[in-house]
Amino acid sequence: GAVVSQHPSWVICKSGTSVKIECRSLDFQATTMFWYRQFPKQSLMLMATSNEGSKATYEQGVEKDKFLINHASLTLSTLTVTSAHPEDSSFYICGGGLGTDTQYFGPGTRLTVL
Amino acid sequence: QKEVEQNSGPLSVPEGAIASLNCTYSDRGSQSFFWYRQYSGKSPELIMFIYSNGDKEDGRFTAQLNKASQYVSLLIRDSQPSDSATYLCAVGGAGGGNKLTFGTGTQLKVEL
Repeated sequence: GAVVSQHPSWVICKSGTSVKIECRSLDFQATTMFWYRQFPKQSLMLMATSNEGSKATYEQGVEKDKFLINHASLTLSTLTVTSAHPEDSSFYICGGGLGTDTQYFGPGTRLTVL
Repeated sequence: QKEVEQNSGPLSVPEGAIASLNCTYSDRGSQSFFWYRQYSGKSPELIMFIYSNGDKEDGRFTAQLNKASQYVSLLIRDSQPSDSATYLCAVGGAGGGNKLTFGTGTQLKVEL
């Protein structure tokens, strides 16, 4: 299957700082990248969808000024959590879109905000 | 609102048995259906996708789709302890574009 990488795999930061998460599709070009958040014992919650070279489309209730998404190329998308707070602690997963509907996920980034 | 429903489980099956996981969806226009496996602390891994009514087999896994009844299922034959995980059903909409709606997942436990 298609391979997606994420970096870092985990990060601990202080409240008020910003954290950038990188998502790369390694062996395919992902015209669309998806960013999810998953809290313990819950399913994936879609945060936003981004297409290369376009502004991201955010899901209802997701603050676009807090979660900055950049999709600079067909293989790289970044999510920046600005002014992180403890309630932002979660497992962040990116998905690269391949074909009509298939998504392949990165290994995830576990964010802990102290 | 588009919904994907799964029984949260846990579903316990003995090693070597067939595990049957079910999923229903509300959007009748859905066109694509996916099963992902997620181990604790890891991201989901794509197991299978199915687009047409009927069965699709891949090794020990069989996906079944019935669009008229709006359900999709996953059968795991010869279940192994390593199959113990949460299985997520995901449904793609009529418009395509890769956007998926996920169920909350069914936890499967394969017991020795």
